[in-house]
Amino acid sequence: NAGVMQNPRHLVRRRGQEARLRCSPMKGHSHVYWYRQLPEEGLKFMVYLQKENIIDESGMPKERFSAEFPKEGPSILRIQQVVRGDSAAYFCASSPPRREAHNEQFFGPGTRLTVL
Amino acid sequence: AQSVTQPDIHITVSEGASLELRCNYSYGATPYLFWYVQSPGQGLQLLLKYFSGDTLVQGIKGFEAEFKRSQSSFNLRKPSVHWSDAAEYFCAVGASNFGNEKLTFGTGTRLTIIP
Repeated sequence: NAGVMQNPRHLVRRRGQEARLRCSPMKGHSHVYWYRQLPEEGLKFMVYLQKENIIDESGMPKERFSAEFPKEGPSILRIQQVVRGDSAAYFCASSPPRREAHNEQFFGPGTRLTVL
Repeated sequence: AQSVTQPDIHITVSEGASLELRCNYSYGATPYLFWYVQSPGQGLQLLLKYFSGDTLVQGIKGFEAEFKRSQSSFNLRKPSVHWSDAAEYFCAVGASNFGNEKLTFGTGTRLTIIP
């Protein structure tokens, strides 16, 4: 059973470009979470999605960031007009339905975004 | 809102020595508690978790943790560390109420092992 997959693993963008980060959850998992880890810091929650629905986006910056989890295909975290402060590791996690999971989340290897 | 404090930013121990990493949480009800380990440049691996029941939980790689409600703590322990345990360790808390599924992480403790 493959784990959570993220691609690309490393992404370099120049200021003003767009970054698209992809996450494929574990098989059978319908819940996806995105977290951001700034250098020397812990992970900070960004957004929680189920198929075709954003459930909690309380950690998302108000501008330039968006996320989706379509009916088919991976979840996408999109950052428009990137700035140097967006440089970070972005982790995706997935979980089965709540009553089975007790919030246990399985993490992918992360995408390390560098903005030049 | 829940929060987690890991008071030790960096800990150094000798190989074979015992280890305790501290974690304090803040949450109004019974929390879900987790310890994750992150090796450099890698993702997070779950070491152990607490949902309910026995307050001493066993995890992978010889780690254990004890939930102490009176102290709002969930400290991670290992009786004898190995050089391969060198990594960053994160404590996390999840809410037990529906509609709040996010995990809140501490800032991490970096563990260095010396020969």
